[in-house]
Amino acid sequence: DVKVTQSSRYLVKRTGEKVFLECVQDMDHENMFWYRQDPGLGLRLIYFSYDVKMKEKGDIPEGYSVSREKKERFSLILESASTNQTSMYLCASRPLVGRGGYGYTFGSGTRLTVV
Amino acid sequence: AQSVAQPEDQVNVAEGNPLTVKCTYSVSGNPYLFWYVQYPNRGLQFLLKYITGDNLVKGSYGFEAEFNKSQTSFHLKKPSALVSDSALYFCAVTGDNYGQNFVFGPGTRLSVLP
Repeated sequence: DVKVTQSSRYLVKRTGEKVFLECVQDMDHENMFWYRQDPGLGLRLIYFSYDVKMKEKGDIPEGYSVSREKKERFSLILESASTNQTSMYLCASRPLVGRGGYGYTFGSGTRLTVV
Repeated sequence: AQSVAQPEDQVNVAEGNPLTVKCTYSVSGNPYLFWYVQYPNRGLQFLLKYITGDNLVKGSYGFEAEFNKSQTSFHLKKPSALVSDSALYFCAVTGDNYGQNFVFGPGTRLSVLP
């Protein structure tokens, strides 16, 4: 069964801490994405990556960075966590358009609380 | 620009009754349309998709959706709702141009009442 695995389900961090959210997929997908989900705001794209060492800003990149050193792993970094970054974070992957269909596969999510 | 609208924040239906969750979209080129479901504190799970072909698409858990090009709609339906169908439902669209990302609707919360 194909999977996208997010390393933590629940995380509590202090304001100002550097936070790493890890995502690993075992489907050899080229594309990977980070979203945050907040009540009433739906899913908002933070960053995405089409290939190793490649990254593109999404709709709300401020306060975040990403790293993709290997194809299967896409990390989201909160350089200095703030309380307004308390949210559910969702990682997703997708094959290259034209290969294996177009659907996203999502991880189970990481609920981050910044105190 | 791509966009997705889910006009209802909340849909309530009695168990055993048919349900419909609405979705309309705007996209350049041919649309590829998806429905996802999210249970509490979980990620999104794929339900069904329309890429091409028959306008009526059948998916997981007895759900189906009808693609209507003239009305730019892709409504999710189920003939007989179950309490376990209660969840948050997201419609998503992308175009057929290489590299286009998904655009998600805001979500519709479905409550099936026993």
